[in-house]
Amino acid sequence: SQQGEEDPQALSIQEGENATMNCSYKTSINNLQWYRQNSGRGLVHLILIRSNEREKHSGRLRVTLDTSKKSSSLLITASRAADTASYFCATHQYSGGGADGLTFGKGTHLIIQP
Amino acid sequence: KAGVTQTPRYLIKTRGQQVTLSCSPISGHRSVSWYQQTPGQGLQFLFEYFSETQRNKGNFPGRFSGRQFSNSRSEMNVSTLELGDSALYLCASSSLDIRETQYFGPGTRLLVL
Repeated sequence: SQQGEEDPQALSIQEGENATMNCSYKTSINNLQWYRQNSGRGLVHLILIRSNEREKHSGRLRVTLDTSKKSSSLLITASRAADTASYFCATHQYSGGGADGLTFGKGTHLIIQP
Repeated sequence: KAGVTQTPRYLIKTRGQQVTLSCSPISGHRSVSWYQQTPGQGLQFLFEYFSETQRNKGNFPGRFSGRQFSNSRSEMNVSTLELGDSALYLCASSSLDIRETQYFGPGTRLLVL
């Protein structure tokens, strides 16, 4: 089952503009991560934000987390053509044996127009 | 450090056959997880291995199995292939220090005819 749901499903912007995508999840989390996937290849870890953090930055990336609304947002500033990719939020489900595998949303497909 | 490697990268099989996919984690990583990605279901967790033991398993039929060797390399096997098993199979490894962050390989694209 999908834990995270990204919004929008697709986003097309001009190079240099900012891109914002959102993620909602259903259950309590310890942390939330964002991954990028280029054209059906492997995923690349972008950033992890813990449940006691509200905002985190990494280069041109800014992630926010609102645990009361069970939502997160990823902002990419000054977008570049190389940012064209699918972006996924992911959470861990925790059971008695520790962290289960990551549960991913459907992803936001971002297209940067030159 | 070298990244996660997966072999083969592409595979074509017919229904009823079985297939074995291989994954070599980043050196020093002892946890290996497998995921299936399809257009319809998205990314779904298959199972995780740690120190040669399956630690967690997703909601997949018993046709999907895996194992991990003493050098942390992992294989997954799918028996009696079905058309719906056509997917990108991704392997990911993680370290003890930062267990939540997973490093993915390029994937094996399996087509079942």
